Amino acid sequence: AQKVTQAQTEISVVEKEDVTLDCVYETRDTTYYLFWYKQPPSGELVFLIRRNSFDEQNEISGRYSWNFQKSTSSFNFTITASQVVDSAVYFCALTFSGGYNKLIFGAGTRLAVHP
Amino acid sequence: EPEVTQTPSHQVTQMGQEVILRCVPISNHLYFYWYRQILGQKVEFLVSFYNNEISEKSEIFDDQFSVERPDGSNFTLKIRSTKLEDSAMYFCASRGRREENTGELFFGEGSRLTVL
Repeated sequence: AQKVTQAQTEISVVEKEDVTLDCVYETRDTTYYLFWYKQPPSGELVFLIRRNSFDEQNEISGRYSWNFQKSTSSFNFTITASQVVDSAVYFCALTFSGGYNKLIFGAGTRLAVHP
Repeated sequence: EPEVTQTPSHQVTQMGQEVILRCVPISNHLYFYWYRQILGQKVEFLVSFYNNEISEKSEIFDDQFSVERPDGSNFTLKIRSTKLEDSAMYFCASRGRREENTGELFFGEGSRLTVL
């Protein structure tokens, strides 16, 4: 089965706190790609990051960082020093090599950052 | 930067009416998708389209739904007889040859459908 699980439905933090959004995936394929998308209240899907299954290096981009661990099939996303503008729904997603393969989304985590 | 565009951004319709949602994918892209997101829920795959035919469809994509690429640029989703439960945000996405080995999809901004 190919599946993405985001167990945290909602997270509420106060500005400047660090927050980690969890993502666990299931697949038997050896080549796959993982993504994080942000969906602000306006509704569009904003691409944040892509990782392929051969690259387990963690990545940092400003206040965002991602921890990919194949051993635990996890691809977690951390926001450091959260800001009110980070309030959104965050989706983790999985797809596979090949042109027509669909993107499989997790259920999303709603992050509310309060001043 | 090229982008996927969708029209209308919001459509309100009466139950039982036909609706067509339009998408203009990025011009050299080959693979096209529709996704649906009921308010507050996950983004669900509806259908993928390649080489002028459906390559995969989900259980949601029943006989009330159809897709078409009528003129080589537009990619449309038609709902023949809308139901209340079709109210959702519909996202179009596309992928080019270059993204075959990266998995990346380019999403439009969505079309919100409200069925009354």
